[in-house]
Amino acid sequence: KNQVEQSPQSLIILEGKNCTLQCNYTVSPFSNLRWYKQDTGRGPVSLTIMTFSENTKSNGRYTATLDADTKQSSLHITASQLSDSASYICVVSEGNAGNMLTFGGGTRLMVKP
Amino acid sequence: NAGVTQTPKFRILKIGQSMTLQCTQDMNHNYMYWYRQDPGMGLKLIYYSVGAGITDKGEVPNGYNVSRSTTEDFPLRLELAAPSQTSVYFCASSPGGKSYTFGSGTRLTVV
Repeated sequence: KNQVEQSPQSLIILEGKNCTLQCNYTVSPFSNLRWYKQDTGRGPVSLTIMTFSENTKSNGRYTATLDADTKQSSLHITASQLSDSASYICVVSEGNAGNMLTFGGGTRLMVKP
Repeated sequence: NAGVTQTPKFRILKIGQSMTLQCTQDMNHNYMYWYRQDPGMGLKLIYYSVGAGITDKGEVPNGYNVSRSTTEDFPLRLELAAPSQTSVYFCASSPGGKSYTFGSGTRLTVV
């Protein structure tokens, strides 16, 4: 069964600090891996998308890495801001016609002043 | 562009009642999806559609129905609401491939 596991489930950091969120997946066939940010009461918004051949992708202070051999990904947030407080969801897309997505349970990040 | 619009934002239903969650997109996307999100869990696919007139079951379709009469609209129908259907529902659309756009969600409580 396709699965996406994220760790930690929740994280509290101080403003200005860096953090790294982890994602392990068993989705096959693999098409791409995405990281989404979901603010409370809102839908997920895409941060990065990486295909099999890409091992790093940045979007401002967000940097995602992908190791397709070990089926692991990470999302690194640099110089955190209060507005980074949200859930971060790792999503893996299957390489089939329906482009089915398998969602991780998310990491809930709280940035404190 | 409004993107993906869901209505209502909140709803409380009594057990056994029925309702329709509305989803409209103005991006001319062929693919549309309905997901539910339970606390601490990943989004689960309920139904999806690859184009007008075509729908298919996802991972958790029981208790739900959908239709896709136009490219823009993809309503989700609950016929006999049950407490297990208490969740946040997200509609999404995609042109096919990498880009997905999500609505802001409908929070449904069944009591």
